[in-house]
Amino acid sequence: GIQVEQSPPDLILQEGANSTLRCNFSDSVNNLQWFHQNPWGQLINLFYIPSGTKQNGRLSATTVATERYSLLYISSSQTTDSGVYFCAVDVGSSNTGKLIFGQGTTLQVKP
Amino acid sequence: NAGVMQNPRHLVRRRGQEARLRCSPMKGHSHVYWYRQLPEEGLKFMVYLQKENIIDESGMPKERFSAEFPKEGPSILRIQQVVRGDSAAYFCASSSGIAGYEQYFGPGTRLTVT
Repeated sequence: GIQVEQSPPDLILQEGANSTLRCNFSDSVNNLQWFHQNPWGQLINLFYIPSGTKQNGRLSATTVATERYSLLYISSSQTTDSGVYFCAVDVGSSNTGKLIFGQGTTLQVKP
Repeated sequence: NAGVMQNPRHLVRRRGQEARLRCSPMKGHSHVYWYRQLPEEGLKFMVYLQKENIIDESGMPKERFSAEFPKEGPSILRIQQVVRGDSAAYFCASSSGIAGYEQYFGPGTRLTVT
């Protein structure tokens, strides 16, 4: 089956720093989404980005489908950005839309 | 426009009891997915349903677990005779289409089996 690998697994930043999270996938995809799981366990939709570039405030994401990777950029990080970031893909050969999740990047932003 | 609703948010069951988790999709969405997050693990797909039909249950444990999405009312994930290993966060997601459509997640139900 498809492999979804996220890096780095853990990241510690000082407030105000910038960071880049990466998601590699081993097959073509219909859909790619980025999520933030906050310390209370809730999953927050960040981006629906099967290809191209999107921006939302301090966050932006780029997916290069032909090269099978996606990047999530966090600028001017804040303590509220702490949590786990997941990317998830819907395999191109699938006809059900089920998402396969990476193992996540755990981000800690220190004040 | 309400998002995906799940209840209860927290559920405690003793070993051997039944757990029923409910999910109401976003308005206009007829595709429902259930995912499970075991402690210290990532999220895993369990089952995909459309109204009155189970489309893909390849991620469901073979025994004790079942799911439904009736014509009226919420989708239900049912776990019979719960065991401690069932303790996890269960998330429901909905979408307006099949492959390639954005999925919107509910807040999850945290099941604790004592």
